[in-house]
Amino acid sequence: TQLLEQSPQFLSIQEGENLTVYCNSSSVFSSLQWYRQEPGEGPVLLVTVVTGGEVKKLKRLTFQFGDARKDSSLHITAAQPGDTGLYLCAGGHWIIFGKGTRLHILP
Amino acid sequence: GAGVSQSPSNKVTEKGKDVELRCDPISGHTALYWYRQRLGQGLEFLIYFQGNSAPDKSGLPSDRFSAERTGESVSTLTIQRTQQEDSAVYLCASSLLGTYSYEQYFGPGTRLTVT
Repeated sequence: TQLLEQSPQFLSIQEGENLTVYCNSSSVFSSLQWYRQEPGEGPVLLVTVVTGGEVKKLKRLTFQFGDARKDSSLHITAAQPGDTGLYLCAGGHWIIFGKGTRLHILP
Repeated sequence: GAGVSQSPSNKVTEKGKDVELRCDPISGHTALYWYRQRLGQGLEFLIYFQGNSAPDKSGLPSDRFSAERTGESVSTLTIQRTQQEDSAVYLCASSLLGTYSYEQYFGPGTRLTVT
């Protein structure tokens, strides 16, 4: 059974700080996606990573796919209150979701 | 419409009643998914439709849950004899098979409260 473990579960930091959240598995995934979900809304796709070792940047967000395609990380530079939300990673043929990292940026 | 829509946005029902939730996917998207999200939790896969293939029902928690989809359009998720543990947000997503086959676009969800 494929599982995606996300860490940390919760993270609360001050505006302007940097942070990294992780998505790990013992299984190989052909691709992984990262989503952000804000309260009362559905998740919104941020990025898909496909190639082992791939790095993608989306403004202040940097996504990396592990060389072995078993893990991924999301790094946010100079976090802003607008980054607050639930960050979910997902992958697999039948779309397995991690339980998410709940991020809160304090102004 | 431009995105996935779901109705109703909120539903309050009494324990034991049946409810029907609706999802309108993005036009042209052949795949449709239903998920359940309990308060403060991640997404729990329920069911997956792909074109005219038999749906993958492996995530349905009990036989009180069922879903239908007409062709590549609207889907309805039905919960019979609702229980309090069914209270959750039910999310629908659609995707277009392609190079990144499994990128999903989500609706805003239906918040179900069973009293």
